[in-house]
Amino acid sequence: DQQVKQNSPSLSVQEGRISILNCDYTNSMFDYFLWYKKYPAEGPTFLISISSIKDKNEDGRFTVFLNKSAKHLSLHIVPSQPGDSAVYFCAARTSGTYKYIFGTGTRLKVLA
Amino acid sequence: DGGITQSPKYLFRKEGQNVTLSCEQNLNHDAMYWYRQDPGQGLRLIYYSQIVNDFQKGDIAEGYSVSREKKESFPLTVTSAQKNPTAFYLCASSIGVGGETQYFGPGTRLLVL
Repeated sequence: DQQVKQNSPSLSVQEGRISILNCDYTNSMFDYFLWYKKYPAEGPTFLISISSIKDKNEDGRFTVFLNKSAKHLSLHIVPSQPGDSAVYFCAARTSGTYKYIFGTGTRLKVLA
Repeated sequence: DGGITQSPKYLFRKEGQNVTLSCEQNLNHDAMYWYRQDPGQGLRLIYYSQIVNDFQKGDIAEGYSVSREKKESFPLTVTSAQKNPTAFYLCASSIGVGGETQYFGPGTRLLVL
């Protein structure tokens, strides 16, 4: 039972345009969400997070949107840069627990 | 320079052999985690530890064992009972209760000879 789903395994975007990565979840108890970026053969690095009390969080070129009623979150990268090419994972957890549930990842390729 | 280190970067296991992956952190985090990543899949939780001398099974603990004798260290042993050990193993840590973000080490790739 995949509680966190990233239905697009890959995405290609032209440099300078917007990248939108999507994530859906099924567990309504999740109240904290994170996005990680991962390069091959390296550990994921934290990008941005959002709590369920917000619907948007912005950090530089990265913005995460949360739609609780749809159980959907998205990561927007504007403008996209070639260095953004990586695999992006969303993750979710419930407050008071230590378990983070990860999606399967979306491979983003930004074309120069 | 605070962070999480994992060693070795590559590890080879022979049939029937136990191998241990090292994970050390100097972030003063209470909680530590082990994940496994297989191609095309997300990160699956093997074990986690909330505090020294305590650890809990994750979703795929069979064939693995851990210890948490020190706050800084959370080694993972892949036992001979793990029939499909080839994967990329990631260690992570977080502050603990109230600590929302996990920080990851660089990973260890385990290959079976």
